[in-house]
Amino acid sequence: QVQLQESGPGLVKPSETLSLTCTVSGGSVSSGNYYWSWIRQPPGKGLERIGYFYHSGATNYNPSLKSRVTISGDTSRNRFSLKLTSVSAADTAVYFCARGFGSNLNFDYWGQGTLVTVSS
Amino acid sequence: EIVLTQSPVTLSLSPGEGATLSCRASESVRSYLAWYQQIPGQAPRLLIYDASDRATGIPARFSGSGSGTDFTLTISSLESEDFAVYYCQHRNTFGPGTKVDIK
Repeated sequence: QVQLQESGPGLVKPSETLSLTCTVSGGSVSSGNYYWSWIRQPPGKGLERIGYFYHSGATNYNPSLKSRVTISGDTSRNRFSLKLTSVSAADTAVYFCARGFGSNLNFDYWGQGTLVTVSS
Repeated sequence: EIVLTQSPVTLSLSPGEGATLSCRASESVRSYLAWYQQIPGQAPRLLIYDASDRATGIPARFSGSGSGTDFTLTISSLESEDFAVYYCQHRNTFGPGTKVDIK
């Protein structure tokens, strides 16, 4: 059974960088046709895909966030990370990590989510 | 960029009734569409992928259909645990969701 767990600060100041890590167990970020992804959900709102990391090193980002996002993998620790720069209150959300598969990037395993609040 | 529209916004039904949820894409997505269920406070759960394939462990009362621009998620007989928000998704884009609540 694949399990994902997000970790990182729950509070980030405006203009600073949000950093989160997703640790994977029961599966490997360094093999298979899976897209290790970040998705967020502002309080009371819908879902927004942020981007993914593929074990080849390839990445793909939502165009609306591309200039501020970096997603990277750490295969030695079987985890992947998200960095979002120059955050504002609009980046306050629950951040989920998830595993995607297939041509449609279907997300079959998810972390529980972590709330990140941007506030001074 | 493809836009997904879901209808209705809210569906009020009783346990045992059937539910029909719609997702429309702004242009053809062939069969590349997934459906998720989200209970408040929880992560979304994949129900259907590639328009009509049930994900592992999903009960048979959930079914998906459609291709091109029009898709449907059908719940044949609502159980108490099915009252939730349902999202459709195509690659980068999620629909705004349909809330199924208890009448």
